[in-house]
Amino acid sequence: GAVVSQHPSRVICKSGTSVKIECRSLDFQATTMFWYRQFPKQSLMLMATSNEGSKATYEQGVEKDKFLINHASLTLSTLTVTSAHPEDSSFYICSARRGVGVNEQFFGPGTRLTVL
Amino acid sequence: AQSVAQPEDQVNVAEGNPLTVKCTYSVSGNPYLFWYVQYPNRGLQFLLKYITGDNLVKGSYGFEAEFNKSQTSFHLKKPSALVSDSALYFCAVRDNTNAGKSTFGDGTTLTVKP
Repeated sequence: GAVVSQHPSRVICKSGTSVKIECRSLDFQATTMFWYRQFPKQSLMLMATSNEGSKATYEQGVEKDKFLINHASLTLSTLTVTSAHPEDSSFYICSARRGVGVNEQFFGPGTRLTVL
Repeated sequence: AQSVAQPEDQVNVAEGNPLTVKCTYSVSGNPYLFWYVQYPNRGLQFLLKYITGDNLVKGSYGFEAEFNKSQTSFHLKKPSALVSDSALYFCAVRDNTNAGKSTFGDGTTLTVKP
């Protein structure tokens, strides 16, 4: 199956700093990438959808200026949490989908963000 | 709006017994249905999908799911559970009019006891 990597897997930062999370599709070209946030024992909350070369589409209630998404190439998307605060602590998961048609999503292993 | 319901937060079965994890959905148009599994502190792994065709879909690790249009259900099944099947399972639905976005259920924790 297709592989999606995320880096870093775990990050601890101080309140007010910015954190960048990378998501890469290793063996396929991802026309669409998704960013999710998952709280303990809860489902995935879609934050935004991005297509290569275009601006991300954010879900209602997600601050685009706080969660900056860049989908610069067909294999790389980044999520930057700007001026992070403790309430931003969460498990962030990216997902990639290739091509057109009804294809399944391939998920990265997730990034555990802890803001002190 | 599309939605997915997984009515059971937790399912417990004994190893070797059959298992069922339930999922019902609501969507306009034809549904595209997926099951994913998540192990602790990991991302989700794709198990299987239903797009069209046979109502019984076979997937990874011996799992299968049955699409039932009249009951709007897509229950995940396995004839003989393994302890290693213990994980969090998510059902997802997607329609082709929603810009390709999937909606996930709240997840069901499956525990298989030896």
